[in-house]
Amino acid sequence: GESVGLHLPTLSVQEGDNSIINCAYSNSASDYFIWYKQESGKGPQFIIDIRSNMDKRQGQRVTVLLNKTVKHLSLQIAATQPGDSAVYFCAASLQAAGNKLTFGGGTRVLVKP
Amino acid sequence: GAVVSQHPSWVICKSGTSVKIECRSLDFQATTMFWYRQFPKQSLMLMATSNEGSKATYEQGVEKDKFLINHASLTLSTLTVTSAHPEDSSFYICSGDSTEAFFGQGTRLTVV
Repeated sequence: GESVGLHLPTLSVQEGDNSIINCAYSNSASDYFIWYKQESGKGPQFIIDIRSNMDKRQGQRVTVLLNKTVKHLSLQIAATQPGDSAVYFCAASLQAAGNKLTFGGGTRVLVKP
Repeated sequence: GAVVSQHPSWVICKSGTSVKIECRSLDFQATTMFWYRQFPKQSLMLMATSNEGSKATYEQGVEKDKFLINHASLTLSTLTVTSAHPEDSSFYICSGDSTEAFFGQGTRLTVV
C-alpha cells in the first residue's frame, strides 16, 4: 500500500532563511502530490501541489520539487517568516483511484526571530 | 472555490453518548467527501469515503457501526461517533473530493 514519510520531525530555522522539508513516498504509481500547512487546532491548509509529469513547481515563496526516480519530494520556503511556523504534511494520491490522500508523518517548522 | 465548512469546531461529550459532526460543501457539489482522524502529534489517517446516496467505504480497521456516515445530499456529509469512549477523542477532519482536497476546519472531540 501507499505510505508517505518525512525525514525530519522538527525543523528550526532562522527568520529570513530558507526552509527545506523533505518527504518520501512508497507507491511509484502515485501521480499527484500536495503540501499542506497545519496550524494548531485547524484543518490542513493547501500550499502547493504537483503532478507526476512535472519535477518542479513554484508558488509564492514556495517551491515543490519532485524526484520520481527516488520517490522523493521536497518543499522549499523562501525567506521563512514567523507566520510559517506550523506543521507541514506532504500527501500523495493516485488520481485514478479518486482524490483519496495518504499523508506523511508531518514536520514541525519553528521559525526563530 | 471548494470551500468546506465543518461543525462543530469542538465538542465535549460523556462516555457512551453519540456525537454528530457535519461537513458541508459551500460552493461545490460533493458526490464524495473524505473523513480523516488525527491524533495529537500525528498525521491524518483516512477513516472513510462518504458517497452521496450510497454507503460509505471504510478503511481497514475502522468500525462502520461505530462511525456512522450519512451523505444524503450533495452538500452535506455527517459523521456520527456512536457510544463514544475516551479513546475516540481526536481531531476529525473532512475534505471535499476536489483535486486540491480542501479541508474543513476540523472538529476536536473530547470524550470524558
